[in-house]
Amino acid sequence: AQTVTQSQPEMSVQEAETVTLSCTYDTSESNYYLFWYKQPPSRQMILVIRQEAYKQQNATENRFSVNFQKAAKSFSLKISDSQLGDTAMYFCAFMIQWAGNMLTFGGGTRLMVKP
Amino acid sequence: DTGVSQDPRHKITKRGQNVTFRCDPISEHNRLYWYRQTLGQGPEFLTYFQNEAQLEKSRLLSDRFSAERPKGSFSTLEIQRTEQGDSAMYLCASSLAPGTGSGSKQETQYFGPGTRLLVL
Repeated sequence: AQTVTQSQPEMSVQEAETVTLSCTYDTSESNYYLFWYKQPPSRQMILVIRQEAYKQQNATENRFSVNFQKAAKSFSLKISDSQLGDTAMYFCAFMIQWAGNMLTFGGGTRLMVKP
Repeated sequence: DTGVSQDPRHKITKRGQNVTFRCDPISEHNRLYWYRQTLGQGPEFLTYFQNEAQLEKSRLLSDRFSAERPKGSFSTLEIQRTEQGDSAMYLCASSLAPGTGSGSKQETQYFGPGTRLLVL
């Protein structure tokens, strides 16, 4: 079974600063996807970024980038130039590739961006 | 693209009553998933469909829970004889199955707004 751990329950950052959210996972699979999802207060889960395990290059989406360390089973999310709208719960999630089944989520990190 | 929609958004019921939730996936998506999320936690997988076939069910899905996707489009999740422990957010997601679509959209799950259930 796969497990996903987010060791930072809460974090805060000043507007315009950079913050990194941590995620580690455990699996015996070789081919998988990793995701970061954002869930703003009382709003729906939004995909932030996706990483395929076979790709060595770290994924980037505008101000969001990941540091994927496959050997260490680590998948951190860096948010640059933080904005007030980034305030949300952030969930790291794992999915086995081609099995196309369930996402396994971590417990989440609550991020507060302060003005 | 119209996103994933869920109805109702909120439901309050008394213990012992039956409730039914509906999910409409993104139109071209052939996979549909149900998750349950309790306050302050990450979502937990319940079940998923490919077209009309239910392919996997979690141990969390007790006998009181049933899900259907009769024509491979929308899905319903029914909870019979609700209990207070069923209070949670029920999330629906949809995706393209492996081998369909292309690039980064394949297998990525897109979520609806959820149905928040409160059992009194």
